[in-house]
Amino acid sequence: EVQLVESGGGLVQPGGSLRLSCAASGFTFSSYWMSWVRQAPGKGLEWVANIKQDGSEKYYVDSVKGRFTISRDNAKNSLYLQMNSLRAEDTAVYYCAREAAAGRIDFDYWGQGTLVTVSS
Amino acid sequence: QSALTQPASVSGSPGQSITISCTGTSSDVGGYNYVSWYQQHPGKAPKLMIYEVSNRPSGVSNRFSGSKSGNTASLTISGLQAEDEADYYCSSYTSSSTPWVFGGGTKLTVL
Repeated sequence: EVQLVESGGGLVQPGGSLRLSCAASGFTFSSYWMSWVRQAPGKGLEWVANIKQDGSEKYYVDSVKGRFTISRDNAKNSLYLQMNSLRAEDTAVYYCAREAAAGRIDFDYWGQGTLVTVSS
Repeated sequence: QSALTQPASVSGSPGQSITISCTGTSSDVGGYNYVSWYQQHPGKAPKLMIYEVSNRPSGVSNRFSGSKSGNTASLTISGLQAEDEADYYCSSYTSSSTPWVFGGGTKLTVL
């Protein structure tokens, strides 16, 4: 069974940092692109960043470029999101999501999410 | 403001059919057959219901179907059941600076 379990969320002051983790199991982690998708309170979904299977390619939504860094450790079956210079508008539930394989462009599995609150 | 436009809410009675629309542009919905739909129950993770406009993942009920015409995609749920009450989000590949855009979500109420 595919499982994605996020951790690391919490309350942080504006300008602060936080590192999110996503532990993957039930599939060959190193074979999939992975993404972070966020959902602000009461709002819709927003793709944040993704990373290629071997970590050689990374992409970000414009609003987080230069502040967030996505990474992965295939030996530990883990995905990370380092978030620096956090702003109030980064407050959201952050989901780890697996990108479907075989040329598809969708997210076939999602974690339960971890809440990040940026507030003084 | 979300990139794709969905109605804020729809409702239907058990057994009825409903359709949720998702309107984009020729740079996303209209330009690619990479529209997907996600179901999200309160406090839960999104679940993939439809991919590539009209394909259902294994395990998803055939009461769920998808289609597209021009810049508008649609999700139809037939034989509504109480368990279908949830938020539904559409998503599309896009040629813009980010690979995906989402709709703002539609709250489905089963009366």
